[in-house]
Amino acid sequence: DTAVSQTPKYLVTQMGNDKSIKCEQNLGHDTMYWYKQDSKKFLKIMFSYNNKELIINETVPNRFSPKSPDKAHLNLHINSLELGDSAVYFCASSQFGGGARNEQFFGPGTRLTVL
Amino acid sequence: GESVGLHLPTLSVQEGDNSIINCAYSNSASDYFIWYKQESGKGPQFIIDIRSNMDKRQGQRVTVLLNKTVKHLSLQIAATQPGDSAVYFCAESQASGYSTLTFGKGTMLLVSP
Repeated sequence: DTAVSQTPKYLVTQMGNDKSIKCEQNLGHDTMYWYKQDSKKFLKIMFSYNNKELIINETVPNRFSPKSPDKAHLNLHINSLELGDSAVYFCASSQFGGGARNEQFFGPGTRLTVL
Repeated sequence: GESVGLHLPTLSVQEGDNSIINCAYSNSASDYFIWYKQESGKGPQFIIDIRSNMDKRQGQRVTVLLNKTVKHLSLQIAATQPGDSAVYFCAESQASGYSTLTFGKGTMLLVSP
């Protein structure tokens, strides 16, 4: 019955590697997001997709490439991983792309550690 | 750019006390505000929201107050319980159109039994 799920929950990898994080929502929402939470718990939006279309890209390095095969899935692929990419990545979804009462539901997060 | 910030990084209270978590925002265009709770190892969870045409909104044991004059938001938790221990974030957005949530820094609430 998980609303927003992410895999894997933990990801440990070496610098320079390429990795992917998957996200799925079963809420029937139109919009999905990726957030990055750093070691100080600061949460920052990375991307927003509405009906498989990219609507927001918040100055994220092009090593990060989101892919939305359908509106229930938004995956995050990261090339050439760097130490500074270590963080917790959260996927979220909402019914609409914005507006009031547009609650965002968050996944459990993926803790990425780059060695 | 403009951002939302919190005054206190950690707030320690006793069980049964009332807790107040504060947040300052600086984007005058923001007209929609949300409080999220994040428990350890989990994603943020919606608690309560408020639009700028209101100055107070109540939920179950929680109240959000909005002071647009000084761009200040607060979350009041009544009869705080150990299960309330978490990091609390305020976030701001616009009530219309495509908009993202801009999160504040977060305040950790520690509730002692």
